[in-house]
Parts: sequence; C-alpha cells; structure tokens
Amino acid sequence: DAKTTQPTSMDCAEGRAANLPCNHSTISGNEYVYWYRQIHSQGPQYIIHGLKNNETNEMASLIITEDRKSSTLILPHATLRDTAVYYCIVRVGGGTGTASKLTFGTGTRLQVTL
Amino acid sequence: SQTIHQWPATLVQPVGSPLSLECTVEGTSNPNLYWYRQAAGRGLQLLFYSVGIGQISSEVPQNLSASRPQDRQFILSSKKLLLSDSGFYLCAWSGRASNEKLFFGSGTQLSVL
Repeated sequence: DAKTTQPTSMDCAEGRAANLPCNHSTISGNEYVYWYRQIHSQGPQYIIHGLKNNETNEMASLIITEDRKSSTLILPHATLRDTAVYYCIVRVGGGTGTASKLTFGTGTRLQVTL
Repeated sequence: SQTIHQWPATLVQPVGSPLSLECTVEGTSNPNLYWYRQAAGRGLQLLFYSVGIGQISSEVPQNLSASRPQDRQFILSSKKLLLSDSGFYLCAWSGRASNEKLFFGSGTQLSVL
C-alpha cells in the first residue's frame, strides 16, 4: 500500500473550514484514499473515502487532485467536537471475501479553538 | 443496526498473567473481524484479522493470539503478558465486499505492571 504524509498538527478556529492535507505521491491506480478520525481514548471513526472523483457526505468533503498524488479533507464548519487525530490512508480494494486491512500512521492532530 | 461490543474498558494485569479480551458484533452476519493495538502516542497497528470462523491471520509476530469460535465473536489472548503488551486494544469489523468501511469498538486500555 502507498505511504501517506500528513502534517503532525494543525489548528483551526471554530466555525471556520478545516483543510487537512495528505500527500500520497506513490499511489497506484487501484488504491482508494480513506479518511478516519480518532477522538481521544475512542476507536477511530470512518469519515469518507474516494478513488478519483471528489466526494462529499454529511461529515466532510474529500478533494483528490487530478494526478491523485495528494488529497484534502475539508470540514466545512469546524466545531470543538471535531478536535481529533485525522488519519489519511491509501489502500488497494480487495475482492469480495478479503479483509479491509488498513494501516494507520500517526495522522494529523487537529485542534479546534474558540 | 450493527453494533460492536468490546470489554473490559480498562484492565491492569501483572507481568506473566494471562489475558483474554472479547469482542462481539451484533446486527450483521459473516463479518470480517480485526484486532488493532495502539501504543501511547503511536499509530494503530493491525495485529490479527479473520474472514471466517476459525480463520485467523497474524500480521506481526508477537506474544498474543486470536481466536474466532463463533461468527460474530473475536477473542484476543495471551498466556503470559509482557510489559510491552501494554496499550490500547481495539476490535473492529467490516463487511465482506471490497473497500468496506471499518467500524471500531470503544477499546480496552491494558496496563501490564
């Protein structure tokens, strides 16, 4: 699986958009980009994933560059409850009956402030 | 809806004692099951995964073992705990199709003293 690079930490003011970058320059054509977040002392929570096209759901938007070498997770209106560690993961899609083995790095610690 | 239960939430064990952590999933059948460990200040490390009853794959050599005696039950065990086994243990499940999302339990904080 391709390696990802994320900033160690970021700050964001409450109510503003939080833009979390991720570099995955060695990504291959069949690898998906996943984002999870982990609030302190809890299990990680799935946010969003995509292959080529930009994606949006009720939690966030995922912007993937045309060459797929980087992506940005956007939280449109950050709140204090969005303070967490955010993980960017790339993973090849397995076939039916295979396991979704995801490798979590150290992620970006997002601190949302008043 | 699907839920995942993991217990206990915290555990303090002496070095050399046995370990058994249990995880059960409700509301789905034939899930893929996973055990992850997170050391303090570190990322999550995949320890074991299972695609069916009795089928266990180990990702890293270690002092731990896993078993899946029933479709929705996943157990993490050790015969003799080491200090280095301390950490935050997380159970997770996913569906069977490709690119399925992982759903995590609330975790067990294990301290080996």
